[in-house]
Amino acid sequence: GAGVSQSPRYKVAKRGQDVALRCDPISGHVSLFWYQQALGQGPEFLTYFQNEAQLDKSGLPSDRFFAERPEGSVSTLKIQRTQQEDSAVYLCASSSTGNSNQPQHFGDGTRLSIL
Amino acid sequence: AQRVTQPEKLLSVFKGAPVELKCNYSYSGSPELFWYVQYSRQRLQLLLRHISRESIKGFTADLNKGETSFHLKKPFAQEEDSAMYYCALSGRNNFNKFYFGSGTKLNVKP
Repeated sequence: GAGVSQSPRYKVAKRGQDVALRCDPISGHVSLFWYQQALGQGPEFLTYFQNEAQLDKSGLPSDRFFAERPEGSVSTLKIQRTQQEDSAVYLCASSSTGNSNQPQHFGDGTRLSIL
Repeated sequence: AQRVTQPEKLLSVFKGAPVELKCNYSYSGSPELFWYVQYSRQRLQLLLRHISRESIKGFTADLNKGETSFHLKKPFAQEEDSAMYYCALSGRNNFNKFYFGSGTKLNVKP
């Protein structure tokens, strides 16, 4: 595809359920990032992959959050035992290299609502 | 600590007026600064980055290391510029992750 693809676009879950969010980055992009965007705020960093290696997970808010990118392409963000405060838009971004001057290309995001 | 501050949540101007969206940052190192824009019902997209020193859609931004600022400017605003604007900071010290400001909503009135 031409851009970063995320699915589902919308997800509603009951408190306590597990959810899985998928990101398909631009083909060939080495770096992949996950961000969480609360209403009225800018995106906040969750975790970073370079190929299949998760090099930074300092932004994950709790051990209920887990991300993987096993083959260095598609990534999944999993949230276990969801809480209401997990309601947010989850954004995935990819960039071609690991250089800090490279722009990140964003997907449309997954809007997660926890009831 | 790394931080990006966008002091204005909302900025309203009339068409044809100059516009300046403020961005200040703090970073211990050599930062890379970006402006991203999100039009209604669209994804975040790159507007410009300081390293390119380019003008996109009439917008420019100059990195001022002394004032730690990266304000976005346009001399004559257009209605199609109405959108949400985010300033973002990156750097080699932090695995290139972005730190975003909270965004400024620009409303250009006819």
